[in-house]
Amino acid sequence: EAQVTQNPRYLITVTGKKLTVTCSQNMNHEYMSWYRQDPGLGLRQIYYSMNVEATDKGDVPEGYKVSRKEKRNFPLILESPSPNQTSLYFCASARTSTRPGELFFGEGSRLTVL
Amino acid sequence: AQTVTQSQPEMSVQEAETVTLSCTYDTSESDYYLFWYKQPPSRQMILVIRQEAYKQQNATENRFSVNFQKAAKSFSLKISDSQLGDAAMYFCAYRSALGGANSKLTFGKGITLSVRP
Repeated sequence: EAQVTQNPRYLITVTGKKLTVTCSQNMNHEYMSWYRQDPGLGLRQIYYSMNVEATDKGDVPEGYKVSRKEKRNFPLILESPSPNQTSLYFCASARTSTRPGELFFGEGSRLTVL
Repeated sequence: AQTVTQSQPEMSVQEAETVTLSCTYDTSESDYYLFWYKQPPSRQMILVIRQEAYKQQNATENRFSVNFQKAAKSFSLKISDSQLGDAAMYFCAYRSALGGANSKLTFGKGITLSVRP
């Protein structure tokens, strides 16, 4: 089954404690991206990756890091989480070799930073 | 930069009736995609329908259809025969069709649709 898998789905942590949200896709997609969803703001892009070892900032990259060492994986790293990073996070992937189609989303990760 | 505007934060519809959700966008590009995503309480982002800007015909998917007005930069979603399962948050989204570019989806703020039994 084609899917984007995120882990953990729920996480409560404390300020300053490093954490990683993993994202894996099994569709051999070149493009992967992270979004955060906040009430009244919709979804905003954090980082994206066009392919292995090719990452770039989105609209709200402050406080986040990413890596793309393998095509299927695109982890989101919060080196020193703060309460303003409490949010719902989505990983998404897509093909880029042909005309862009829709993104495939993971099921979301609810992060709370105390 | 592209922007997507959903000016109505909430709407309500009676079961079996028809409802239209509004969306406007701003872009200088001529080739792009527009989407409506549904987010039920499970939080999963579900693609409802998509429209390619170069196609004049409005997209339809069963009970869901769009009214795409390219000159007016308007992209509304019509839900016919509304069902209780249609209750969700709906997001309008824009994506450039430029190959090789950051294929970012630009989202509106969303609209919460409730369905009255």
